[in-house]
Amino acid sequence: EIQLQESGPGLVKPSQSLSLTCSVTGYTITSGYDWSWIRKFPGNKMEWMGYISYSGSTNYNPSLKSRISITRDTSKNQFFLQLNSVTTEDTATYYCAREGYPLFDYWGQGVMVTVSS
Amino acid sequence: DIQMTQSPASLSASLGETVSIECLASEGISNDLAWYQQKSGKSPQLLIYAASRLQDGVPSRFSGSGSGTRYSLKISGMQPEDEADYFCQQSYKYPLTFGSGTKLEIK
Repeated sequence: EIQLQESGPGLVKPSQSLSLTCSVTGYTITSGYDWSWIRKFPGNKMEWMGYISYSGSTNYNPSLKSRISITRDTSKNQFFLQLNSVTTEDTATYYCAREGYPLFDYWGQGVMVTVSS
Repeated sequence: DIQMTQSPASLSASLGETVSIECLASEGISNDLAWYQQKSGKSPQLLIYAASRLQDGVPSRFSGSGSGTRYSLKISGMQPEDEADYFCQQSYKYPLTFGSGTKLEIK
């Protein structure tokens, strides 16, 4: 069974960087698909942030392009999100998901991140 | 970016009632549309892809239709376990974009 699990700090200070980890079990991230980060804001708006492909290439939402980085550790079957220079507007629940076709067939449980001093 | 306008924002339905949710894309998306269900405190689950194809394991009371810019999700016979948030997502063009969601409750 494919499972994704997000982890990381729930509170980040403004201007700092947000760093999250997605641990994948049941599927090797280098075998196929793209591996995405999606966030859901208070009020329910959802935003696709970007992905890292099975080959290691990346594709980011232009709205975030100057602040986002998605990387991976293939030895641990994990991929990571780093979002720089966060503001209170980055407060959201962050999900990792497997992306193909492209749509999202497996999701993590989500991690709530609050940006506050 | 393709804007996805979803309606209604909220909906109450009686058990057994048929309900419909709509998504309007700001440009044609060639049936590249998915629907998701998200129950309270859970992660989203894919219900329908390519506008009308049912994901494996999804009950047949869920169906999708539409073309061009206008798409809909129908639940034929509301069940208690269908109380959830529903949202659409266009898979036609990057950046991928989502509808604003519909909260479906039991009346």
